[in-house]
Amino acid sequence: GAVVSQHPSWVICKSGTSVKIECRSLDFQATTMFWYRQFPKQSLMLMATSNEGSKATYEQGVEKDKFLINHASLTLSTLTVTSAHPEDSSFYICSARGLTGYNEQFFGPGTRLTVL
Amino acid sequence: QKEVEQDPGPLSVPEGAIVSLNCTYSNSAFQYFMWYRQYSRKGPELLMYTYSSGNKEDGRFTAQVDKSSKYISLFIRDSQPSDSATYLCAMSSRQGQKLVFGQGTRLTINP
Repeated sequence: GAVVSQHPSWVICKSGTSVKIECRSLDFQATTMFWYRQFPKQSLMLMATSNEGSKATYEQGVEKDKFLINHASLTLSTLTVTSAHPEDSSFYICSARGLTGYNEQFFGPGTRLTVL
Repeated sequence: QKEVEQDPGPLSVPEGAIVSLNCTYSNSAFQYFMWYRQYSRKGPELLMYTYSSGNKEDGRFTAQVDKSSKYISLFIRDSQPSDSATYLCAMSSRQGQKLVFGQGTRLTINP
């Protein structure tokens, strides 16, 4: 149980284009999902918290208009990187909060974005 | 000072050894504690979660929380090469709060 998927697993795009990443909870409903960014050999950096049916809460320093997050259903959240630039190249990982009450999060496999 | 401190390593041990991974924290309000394992270019995988102080065992893994010392540990017994990964501790103060992660410790188990 508690499986989270991400699509695509990797994407290469040209500078200036937009890229959408999907995060799905496959066997449970997730009212809260999270989006992280991870640079090589570094820990996870929380970008935003996404609650179903409401606007995402962004961490300080994360551009809301750059990283659009939509959590339209209890099993799907999307992250759209708008007008991507090479500095946006990174490993993006989503997670969904579990239901056991221990506040654990279950992570997707991640999406590697390369902007040329 | 970071809220959660974790030695990034790298840590290299021979196969079969007992591995001890640790994190210290400064926020006394933390009461939910987790350990994640992350293989290269993969998402983190939840290994253990505990609430408040005490021990929890699951197979070869044991998680310990000492709230009085603000110190948590993960022990791996009979370590295997497949345990080679980065281990991240994470914690939060209450349900609904975002997790605060340690930097991660890179572990290598040598055959």
